[in-house]
Amino acid sequence: AQSVAQPEDQVKVAEGNPLTVKCTYSVSGNPYLFWYVQYPNRGLQFLLKYITGDNLVKGSYGFEAEFNKSQTSFHLKKPSALVSDSALYFCAVNDNFNKFYFGSGTKLNVKP
Amino acid sequence: NAGVTQTPKFRILKIGQSMTLQCAQDMNHNYMYWYRQDPGMGLKLIYYSVGAGITDKGEVPNGYNVSRSTTEDFPLRLELAAPSQTSVYFCASSYSLRGPDNEQFFGPGTRLTVL
Repeated sequence: AQSVAQPEDQVKVAEGNPLTVKCTYSVSGNPYLFWYVQYPNRGLQFLLKYITGDNLVKGSYGFEAEFNKSQTSFHLKKPSALVSDSALYFCAVNDNFNKFYFGSGTKLNVKP
Repeated sequence: NAGVTQTPKFRILKIGQSMTLQCAQDMNHNYMYWYRQDPGMGLKLIYYSVGAGITDKGEVPNGYNVSRSTTEDFPLRLELAAPSQTSVYFCASSYSLRGPDNEQFFGPGTRLTVL
């Protein structure tokens, strides 16, 4: 079965420190990979995506993500976290059959 | 440019009642989607549409129906509401599905409670 896993329910980092939010997937074919962010009582906002090419993709607000095909992972990273980055982050995968699969979300808590 | 709009924002239904969640987008996107988000869970795809007059089932379609008579609108119909349909519902749209502009734009959501 197709699935997306975000192994950490919550990630806590201090402001200014680097952050990583993990995502692994089990989807056949050549999936497209996405990261979205959700602020309280809002819809999801697109951050970045990987389709093909360079394994390191850069997105909005200084976020980047690294695609690793052999480990089927697509971890979200940022070199220096801000308090305003605190939100819920979702990894999503688009398979080759027009379906989208979302992870369960990781709550990022950046402390001052 | 309003993006993706959803109405209502909140609704409480009694078991067995029916309702329609409205979704509209003004970005001329061909693709539209309905998701539900349960507490502590990711989004589950209910239905999607690749254009006016064309819809298809997602992961969790049971208990729901959709129609797409125009490019702009993609209403979701709940028939015979059940407590298991208590959730937050998100509508989304995208320009393409597998092409370079396939990121989805989401509406603000509808919080539905079935009692």
